Amino acid sequence: GAGVSQTPSNKVTEKGKYVELRCDPISGHTALYWYRQSLGQGPEFLIYFQGTGAADDSGLPNDRFFAVRPEGSVSTLKIQRTERGDSAVYLCASSLGQGAVDTEAFFGQGTRLTVV
Amino acid sequence: AQTVTQSQPEMSVQEAETVTLSCTYDTSESNYYLFWYKQPPSRQMILVIRQEAYKQQNATENRFSVNFQKAAKSFSLKISDSQLGDTAMYFCAFMSPYNTDKLIFGTGTRLQVFP
Repeated sequence: GAGVSQTPSNKVTEKGKYVELRCDPISGHTALYWYRQSLGQGPEFLIYFQGTGAADDSGLPNDRFFAVRPEGSVSTLKIQRTERGDSAVYLCASSLGQGAVDTEAFFGQGTRLTVV
Repeated sequence: AQTVTQSQPEMSVQEAETVTLSCTYDTSESNYYLFWYKQPPSRQMILVIRQEAYKQQNATENRFSVNFQKAAKSFSLKISDSQLGDTAMYFCAFMSPYNTDKLIFGTGTRLQVFP
C-alpha cells in the first residue's frame, strides 16, 4: 500500500475483553515495530519484527500482550484481559529492514484503544 | 539505559518567526542517531530531520535545522519562517544501531504557531 495502515482507527472495549489491533506495513518493508503512546507521553517501544520473527519483544509490558506476523507482512497486536491502564494509542511503523539507520521508519496513524 | 528529555511541554511562536525546541539525551555510546518527529492531530508520526552522531555537521532540511552538541548531549531543533502548518507535537528520539533500531522518544513539545 501507499502507507502504513492500522485498523481499527478507534476501539472501545470493556475491561477484561480481548482485542486485536492490525498493522499493514508498506509493501516490501521487512522491519515492523509496535509502539504504545499514553496520553501526554512519547511513544514507547513494544516489539520489533524482522520478517516473521520477533527480534525484540523486550517492551511488551506483561504476558497479556502478544504480537504476531505470520507471513512477514501484516502484524496483529493482541491484548488479553484488557485493563483500563491499557488505554493508549498503539502505533505501528515499518521500514526497509535497516531500521532508521539507513532508511526511514514510516508510521501509521495508530489505533486509539479505550478500555472502559 | 538511554533516556531522552524534552523540558519544554509547550511553545508558541508567531507565523514567520523562528523557534527553537530543546532536547537532551543520555547515553554511554559513541555512535547513535537522533531524530525529530512531528505528530499532528492525525496522530501519524512524520520524520522531520535526522542526525548521525559521527557527523559533526548539523543536519538541515529546508526550514528545519538542528544544533547538535555531542559533548553536551544536546540536540535542539530550529524552525525558521514558522508556518501555521507547523503546529503539532514534536518529539525528539534516540536510536542505537546496536539495539535493534528501536526509537526512544522524549515526552514531546506542543508547538502552536499563531497568525
